[in-house]
Amino acid sequence: DAMVIQNPRYQVTQFGKPVTLSCSQTLNHNVMYWYQQKSSQAPKLLFHYYDKDFNNEADTPDNFQSRRPNTSFCFLDIRSPGLGDAAMYLCATRTGGLFGNQPQHFGDGTRLSIL
Amino acid sequence: SQQGEEDPQALSIQEGENATMNCSYKTSINNLQWYRQNSGRGLVHLILIRSNEREKHSGRLRVTLDTSKKSSSLLITASRAADTASYFCATDAYPSYDKVIFGPGTSLSVIP
Repeated sequence: DAMVIQNPRYQVTQFGKPVTLSCSQTLNHNVMYWYQQKSSQAPKLLFHYYDKDFNNEADTPDNFQSRRPNTSFCFLDIRSPGLGDAAMYLCATRTGGLFGNQPQHFGDGTRLSIL
Repeated sequence: SQQGEEDPQALSIQEGENATMNCSYKTSINNLQWYRQNSGRGLVHLILIRSNEREKHSGRLRVTLDTSKKSSSLLITASRAADTASYFCATDAYPSYDKVIFGPGTSLSVIP
C-alpha cells in the first residue's frame, strides 16, 4: 500500500548529540511536512517543502534543519538536541496546489527521547 | 503558531451517545479539515470542508462550517468505544494553500 513511512519509530539520543529522523513516501506527493508534537498538544508545523522549495516557520529553532534530496525522502536534522526537543515528530505529505483541497497523509511518527 | 482553538479540550461520553467538538480559527481560510489521532499514532484524515460549503457528511460524521463566525463543529453520531481518540481541526493559512496549521484538539473518551 502507498504510504508514509517514518524510521525509526523510537529514537534515543544524548543531550547535544546530532540526530536525524527520516521520512519516505510512496504517494508521489509534491508537498512534505515536518511537525513536532509534544504530549497532549497539537502538532506544530516546523517546515514544509513544496517540491524543492523550502518553507521554514518563523518560530522553528535554528537547531532544526531539513533536507529533501528527492520527491520520496525528507530528513529532519536536529543539530544539538536539548531536553525540550523530546517529542513526537510527524511527517506528512500532500498533493500541493489544487486550492489546498487535498488531505494530508501522516506517518506514525518518530518519538524522540533525549538523555 | 496555532491557528485556532478547540472546545472542549476533553470529552467523555457513553457509547451510543453523540459527541460534538468545536473549532475556532482566526484568519480567512480556503479549507478546514478534521483529523483523528489514536494514542501514539499519526493523524488520519476524516473530512475536508471548503470555505464555500456549510455542511458535509461522511458516515457517522457531520461537519459544519460558519465562516462568518470563523468556527466549525464535528459531530460523531452513535459513538463507539473505537472512536476514543484525539480530534484536531486544521486550516490552511490563507493565502497559502499548503501551510496547514492545527488547533489544540479535543480528547474524546467513549466509555463502553
